[in-house]
Amino acid sequence: DTGVSQDPRHKITKRGQNVTFRCDPISEHNRLYWYRQTLGQGPEFLTYFQNEAQLEKSRLLSDRFSAERPKGSFSTLEIQRTEQGDSAMYLCASSSRLTGRAGNTIYFGEGSWLTVV
Amino acid sequence: AQRVTQPEKLLSVFKGAPVELKCNYSYSGSPELFWYVQYSRQRLQLLLRHISRESIKGFTADLNKGETSFHLKKPFAQEEDSAMYYCALRDSGGYQKVTFGIGTKLQVIP
Repeated sequence: DTGVSQDPRHKITKRGQNVTFRCDPISEHNRLYWYRQTLGQGPEFLTYFQNEAQLEKSRLLSDRFSAERPKGSFSTLEIQRTEQGDSAMYLCASSSRLTGRAGNTIYFGEGSWLTVV
Repeated sequence: AQRVTQPEKLLSVFKGAPVELKCNYSYSGSPELFWYVQYSRQRLQLLLRHISRESIKGFTADLNKGETSFHLKKPFAQEEDSAMYYCALRDSGGYQKVTFGIGTKLQVIP
């Protein structure tokens, strides 16, 4: 499968612990996004990378959240001192600058479910 | 600020009936609009985008700038259309941020 892959798919953690999610975008995609989705809501934008540069961060991304994309390929999203309100699906997506129908199309991973107990 | 509104959380229609999933947006610039679909146990995927003016799986959507709407339509619903549908808007500026609506669950009754 050459789509966007995320790991782990599910994570249960105790409140106060740190968690890290990894995203491997589609090869050659220079744009990478992180979204959060809770039940009954659409995906909410968290942050966006173009290559290794983090170009935008949502106000939803508190100081406990940090995202990196050190070499412009895979990305990690770390949540420190997790709270129950962090329980959600964390979605990663990527896109390229190709033209045509594929151009700028955002491809999503299957998401990483986080449950904070 | 960009915003996408999908007024219906659930839409139930009978097989063969027409479908219209509503989407309204607010955006100060020139928007790029999309419909994404998520079938049961599958990842979110692009259904169609307004600039392509295409019909995918019988669905079409027309951007109406006067009404700031991008409603998704299909003349005859099929059972396999049952899914979550999300309307999305892309910032046409430099950062490419995409904002999603809360989604509408389409349920096609056999």
